[in-house]
Amino acid sequence: GESVGLHLPTLSVQEGDNSIINCAYSNSASDYFIWYKQESGKGPQFIIDIRSNMDKRQGQRVTVLLNKTVKHLSLQIAATQPGDSAVYFCAENENTGNQFYFGTGTSLTVIP
Amino acid sequence: SAVISQKPSRDICQRGTSLTIQCQVDSQVTMMFWYRQQPGQSLTLIATANQGSEATYESGFVIDKFPISRPNLTFSTLTVSNLSPEDSSIYLCSVGGGNSYEQYFGPGTRLTVT
Repeated sequence: GESVGLHLPTLSVQEGDNSIINCAYSNSASDYFIWYKQESGKGPQFIIDIRSNMDKRQGQRVTVLLNKTVKHLSLQIAATQPGDSAVYFCAENENTGNQFYFGTGTSLTVIP
Repeated sequence: SAVISQKPSRDICQRGTSLTIQCQVDSQVTMMFWYRQQPGQSLTLIATANQGSEATYESGFVIDKFPISRPNLTFSTLTVSNLSPEDSSIYLCSVGGGNSYEQYFGPGTRLTVT
């Protein structure tokens, strides 16, 4: 039978490798996006953001890519570390009042 | 970024009772938001709480079940009323607005309904 709850996509990477986490968003009118990291028992933590007039933005060890044509976001983490193990969410903003709508999330596990 | 605290951090409540969750911010913020995160799932926006006006609820959430107060620019409460086991979730407040669209989250309140 069909399971009731959602199951997060999972990604396992070796320590030191690069990670790529993908997100498809739904609203073509969304013009601002944030990637969040959520560790177990904590609230989501802001990682990096990007506006729709950009297609790439870099932070410390992280890069976000935005493809508006196919409504796709990705988060690249360089030299992944055990402390990067968490659930990662993308969130889109419709510029109508600062409400954000969250994607499904991806669970990243870094193998030492 | 703002520092956000929530009380309680967790609670176990009986069916039919209510729980009020407090959210305190260390600076004045224009907009506060309440989210629900069911076990193993993503975050769902419940409502936007603006100071001086009634909260704006998302589809599927109603004021009778989730009354919200926003008495000033640093504080908000969310009440989850007439609890059922399906209300067992993590409830998170977040703040945003001002000069940027960045939004920051509190640590969450883990509610278990028995």
